[in-house]
Amino acid sequence: EIVLTQSPGTLSLSPGERATLSCRASQSVSSSYLAWYQQKPGQAPRLLIYGASSRATGIPDRFSGSGSGTDFTLTISRLEPEDFAVYYCQQYGSSPGGFTFGPGTKVDIK
Amino acid sequence: QVQLVQSGAEVKKPGASVKVSCKASGYTFTSYDINWVRQATGQGLEWMGWMNPNSGNTGYAQKFQGRVTMTRNTSISTAYMELSSLRSEDTAVYYCATDDYGAFDIWGQGTMVTVSS
Repeated sequence: EIVLTQSPGTLSLSPGERATLSCRASQSVSSSYLAWYQQKPGQAPRLLIYGASSRATGIPDRFSGSGSGTDFTLTISRLEPEDFAVYYCQQYGSSPGGFTFGPGTKVDIK
Repeated sequence: QVQLVQSGAEVKKPGASVKVSCKASGYTFTSYDINWVRQATGQGLEWMGWMNPNSGNTGYAQKFQGRVTMTRNTSISTAYMELSSLRSEDTAVYYCATDDYGAFDIWGQGTMVTVSS
């Protein structure tokens, strides 16, 4: 089973700053099946990025995803007040079949 | 608009079963797999399994095999997740979500399941 590790656990930044979140897999992941989600308290997660680098519908272009193999990155170019939340990466693996999530990175206000 | 609406909160005793529903609207129900994800309070997301609403085929995370059953009623565009032999560790918010391109793009609002004696 592929294990996802996210770092840092918490990222303390100010509005307007750049956020760089890391997701590392225990073995190679198909880029087609690497996604990022944002979750705010009391809300369901929201899909931000799929296929490692494609923005989901309605997602602002300050969010971008990159990476391949075992190392993936979510970048928020300039943090807006509404971006302070928890971010999860997710992968789909065929052996065994199924999805796994990383433990999350909390982006909070410095 | 495209949405998934889940059933309301449940309180169950240890050893009981719970069945959560997820009603789809705004799209063709049989077009996308439905996945179930749970989240204990203050914890991360845990994938439970998937179901193809067209064929009824399912796949469950190893942790839940033998305890979870995912079904559907296509006539009312509704998916169901039943979890049996409940224990306190199953207390969580349970979400359904559609799967497109290997990512979960539409999510239900979540159903709180509390297991307590």
